[in-house]
Amino acid sequence: EAGVAQSPRYKIIEKRQSVAFWCNPISGHATLYWYQQILGQGPKLLIQFQNNGVVDDSQLPKDRFSAERLKGVDSTLKIQPAKLEDSAVYLCASSFLPYNEQFFGPGTRLTVL
Amino acid sequence: GENVEQHPSTLSVQEGDSAVIKCTYSDSASNYFPWYKQELGKGPQLIIDIRSNVGEKKDQRIAVTLNKTAKHFSLHITETQPEDSAVYFCAATLYNNNDMRFGAGTRLTVKP
Repeated sequence: EAGVAQSPRYKIIEKRQSVAFWCNPISGHATLYWYQQILGQGPKLLIQFQNNGVVDDSQLPKDRFSAERLKGVDSTLKIQPAKLEDSAVYLCASSFLPYNEQFFGPGTRLTVL
Repeated sequence: GENVEQHPSTLSVQEGDSAVIKCTYSDSASNYFPWYKQELGKGPQLIIDIRSNVGEKKDQRIAVTLNKTAKHFSLHITETQPEDSAVYFCAATLYNNNDMRFGAGTRLTVKP
């Protein structure tokens, strides 16, 4: 079974630039999550989708972050404009149903200079 | 909201020794406590979990204990091997709520 795919794996940008991350969950998984993992910390949930609807985005900084999952499969997370403090690994995870085990992708390491 | 603290931040053991990582949580309503292992360049992977209706769960060399009264839970790894070297995260949440709060992680190094 293929795992959660993410791209790119690494991204370096300057502050105030824009960046987008892509996630392809495990086939058949209806629930998709985006996490932010700052160096030396545990992952923090940014947004949760159930199919193509948002379940929880209470911790998403909506002034600069946006995410979509238009067809209920792939998802993109965008940051516009980026700040220095956005430097982190962005993890995507999926689960068959809410409250099931979450499977994580390898993450995208973002460096904002 | 839930706050999870994890100790120690780094742990170094000799191959074959045991390793113990401890976590405390603040929200007495939390009832689901997973543990994740994260290897370099990879996402976290669930290794064991426990729900609040049990006090201990074991899976081969890995065990987790839960003390609901004291609001703390621990991961125990016996007969450690070099491939156990990784960062381990504890988390706590309500089982019907996927907003898991993670600890800051423990970097475990197993020396051959």
